[in-house]
Amino acid sequence: QVQLVESGGGVVQPGRSLRLSCTVSGFTFSIYGMQWVRQAPGKGLEWVAVIWHDGSNKYHADSVKGRFTISRDDSKNTLYLQMNSLRAEDTAVYYCARDLEMSVWGQGTTVIVSS
Amino acid sequence: DVVMTQSPLSLPVTLGQPASISCRSSQSLVYSDGNTYLNWFQQRPGQSPRRLIYKVSIRDSGVPDRFSGSGSGTDFTLKISRVEAEDVGVYYCMQCTHSPPITFGQGTRLEI
Repeated sequence: QVQLVESGGGVVQPGRSLRLSCTVSGFTFSIYGMQWVRQAPGKGLEWVAVIWHDGSNKYHADSVKGRFTISRDDSKNTLYLQMNSLRAEDTAVYYCARDLEMSVWGQGTTVIVSS
Repeated sequence: DVVMTQSPLSLPVTLGQPASISCRSSQSLVYSDGNTYLNWFQQRPGQSPRRLIYKVSIRDSGVPDRFSGSGSGTDFTLKISRVEAEDVGVYYCMQCTHSPPITFGQGTRLEI
């Protein structure tokens, strides 16, 4: 069945980097755009980034622009989010989601930015 | 950016009774292809979000038919005809007509 599994979360100090992964199965990864969405503790959903199915376009939220980069490796059926210069306000559960309309979501991975 | 405004933010309901959530956008969500990209998501406690409805009114596979979506332009509604215990959680509307960025409503907490 269709599955998205995030990994790579953890506790990191402010200013450091982390790379999240989202490995998918059960569908043809290369034909779908993919997204990252985050949810701070007790808060709502915030869109983070999107990448086109062929990687030709990538967009990031203003709150992460210049610090986070979305990418994909179709040979590994994996979506990435490289997060640099992390701040306390980046603390959240990070979800990957399939396609522009977010038809399927992963279970999330937790990122805690704290000294 | 398109602002999505949900109401109410908290919705106490009685089992078996109907429930309704409103979502308003700051501009029309009709895209140039004629579609309206307004989706609804459910997030049960401790779970990741799950899409219930896309393009205003199309139910996802496996979603009970007690859930329905309606609306047009800037005004949308999610209705539950008869609330069940498993419906407890937070509901979000989302637009991807004018993206990036994709924007979500603040969420409506449905509680029994």
